[in-house]
Amino acid sequence: QKEVEQNSGPLSVPEGAIASLNCTYSDRVSQSFFWYRQYSGKSPELIMSIYSNGDKEDGRFTAQLNKASQYVSLLIRDSQPSDSATYLCAVNRGYNFNKFYFGSGTKLNVKP
Amino acid sequence: DTAVSQTPKYLVTQMGNDKSIKCEQNLGHDTMYWYKQDSKKFLKIMFSYNNKELIINETVPNRFSPKSPDKAHLNLHINSLELGDSAVYFCASSHGPAGTANTEAFFGQGTRLTVV
Repeated sequence: QKEVEQNSGPLSVPEGAIASLNCTYSDRVSQSFFWYRQYSGKSPELIMSIYSNGDKEDGRFTAQLNKASQYVSLLIRDSQPSDSATYLCAVNRGYNFNKFYFGSGTKLNVKP
Repeated sequence: DTAVSQTPKYLVTQMGNDKSIKCEQNLGHDTMYWYKQDSKKFLKIMFSYNNKELIINETVPNRFSPKSPDKAHLNLHINSLELGDSAVYFCASSHGPAGTANTEAFFGQGTRLTVV
């Protein structure tokens, strides 16, 4: 079982719609959770971090965490063509050492 | 004022050669990492150093040897390169000592290694 699972997509949404990206993780003691955006040929760029259950909003982005279900999601409101990228979910156990586990990413296409 | 920088950006080399990738961070972070991203975009951790000390080695072949001269630098040396080593290698860093929970990882721009 992989540490972090994501649907590889592609997920296609029209411009202006809400894009919903999902991620599950296997280690129940994981402490911190992240969403990275990666454009083709570029490095992963941190867009959201969330550490406690519930929602966290930053501009058009909302991260949601449910530790009981071991589930993290990212909502992108008013999707723009510039949001088209691969979104990587990452989990850090913390504790004895920092180790960021990544999912394989979901490719998002926002169509004009 | 690049936060995490790695060189070179591209590296094309023949099988059997030895090559190095360098990484430097100016964020004052304590922990640095090497990740390998394969053609399917999967980012897999290879090594992690905390304040120059190796703390994670993820069953990487012995041909890969990281070196951290100080906590701001983490280099990766690869011996006897193989075709399967072709990938993008990312350096990253995060704040705090081992065990810090709420800390984020920041990535360098990547080194695309092609072994021919």
